[in-house]
Amino acid sequence: NAGVTQTPKFRVLKTGQSMTLLCAQDMNHEYMYWYRQDPGMGLRLIHYSVGEGTTAKGEVPDGYNVSRLKKQNFLLGLESAAPSQTSVYFCASSSGQYNSPLHFGNGTRLTVT
Amino acid sequence: AQSVTQLDSQVPVFEEAPVELRCNYSSSVSVYLFWYVQYPNQGLQLLLKYLSGSTLVKGINGFEAEFNKSQTSFHLRKPSVHISDTAEYFCAVGNTGGFKTIFGAGTRLFVKA
Repeated sequence: NAGVTQTPKFRVLKTGQSMTLLCAQDMNHEYMYWYRQDPGMGLRLIHYSVGEGTTAKGEVPDGYNVSRLKKQNFLLGLESAAPSQTSVYFCASSSGQYNSPLHFGNGTRLTVT
Repeated sequence: AQSVTQLDSQVPVFEEAPVELRCNYSSSVSVYLFWYVQYPNQGLQLLLKYLSGSTLVKGINGFEAEFNKSQTSFHLRKPSVHISDTAEYFCAVGNTGGFKTIFGAGTRLFVKA
């Protein structure tokens, strides 16, 4: 029962470097999401996808890009990392129904120096 | 627009004591309410959800929550907590207008021996 798997678990970047976070789910879910978690702010939605080949902006999309080339994978990219992007990133998936819960990965802790 | 307010950022409590974590929401349409729990260094997992019907909802690990439409609240309760309940708890709301879930800022429950 893998569920939602995120890689890597930890990463340290220098300002201006780029990286890609990978999320994979094995539940055949249509919807996938990327959130960031910062102390005292809960989870904020970065980007989401309602199906293969589609993506949309969430609440805090600036500085990030995403791609969903395969239904099971959702990639989050940082083209030029900034210290403000230091955070814990969570991927989640759901069946897409408005009353369906989210299934989360274990997170990626990113530090930008 | 929807919003979720968790009224306490931290709640310390002694083991075997009862606890209530408070959550208020605002929404102009019908809502679906969730409580998630996050243990250290893990992703969020669903505790319970309210979709419709009985306003008292039972979840995992002995937790329950009561939906109060007139007070727009969805408080989480447990009659007797254990050390293992130490975690961060998030209230969240979804609605029929879309598939995005809005999270509160979280309440850190700390159970002391």
